[in-house]
Amino acid sequence: AQKITQTQPGMFVQEKEAVTLDCTYDTSDQSYGLFWYKQPSSGEMIFLIYQGSYDEQNATEGRYSLNFQKARKSANLVISASQLGDSAMYFCAMREEGRGADGLTFGKGTHLIIQP
Amino acid sequence: EAGVAQSPRYKIIEKRQSVAFWCNPISGHATLYWYQQILGQGPKLLIQFQNNGVVDDSQLPKDRFSAERLKGVDSTLKIQPAKLEDSAVYLCASSLDRGHEKLFFGSGTQLSVL
Repeated sequence: AQKITQTQPGMFVQEKEAVTLDCTYDTSDQSYGLFWYKQPSSGEMIFLIYQGSYDEQNATEGRYSLNFQKARKSANLVISASQLGDSAMYFCAMREEGRGADGLTFGKGTHLIIQP
Repeated sequence: EAGVAQSPRYKIIEKRQSVAFWCNPISGHATLYWYQQILGQGPKLLIQFQNNGVVDDSQLPKDRFSAERLKGVDSTLKIQPAKLEDSAVYLCASSLDRGHEKLFFGSGTQLSVL
């Protein structure tokens, strides 16, 4: 079974609109972390936001927020007031903290294109 | 603050040849990761180091891939012999310590095996 599922291979959004990128995860660990990364065409992975499984409030970082629904095992990324520079690949990732190792497991990504 | 440095940026080799990638993490970062990103997929962890020790290499194809971080700073990833399916971007990442929420990635080395 996929640990991280991103069901939207690509999205087109008008500039200034809000965007929601979907992510569902699968783990039996009680302690885990969820991440979102942005990968522009230059290739570098840029950290956007982190949510711990025990965090009661949804994480926010500037225009980014993470809609964490633990019972549904979903961790959707919300980008408010999208900008042309937001066009990139977006990856959801998970760290399972019961494994004894800290590497992230990534989804296949969503290609977001912001249109003027 | 300097980011994670990787070289070379691009490499083209023929199958059965060997290749090596180099990574210099952010100064002071104890944890270093190598990821493989095949076109159209998310990165897959190959190996994780804590200082100069291996934490996790369960997904490293050890018959052909090797990695080292001898002095707990720079790291080298080697493939010998390369196969066509090794064509991918190899990303190095570092974090301050294990479990730290922020991983910083380099720009990667794009490998093409012909």
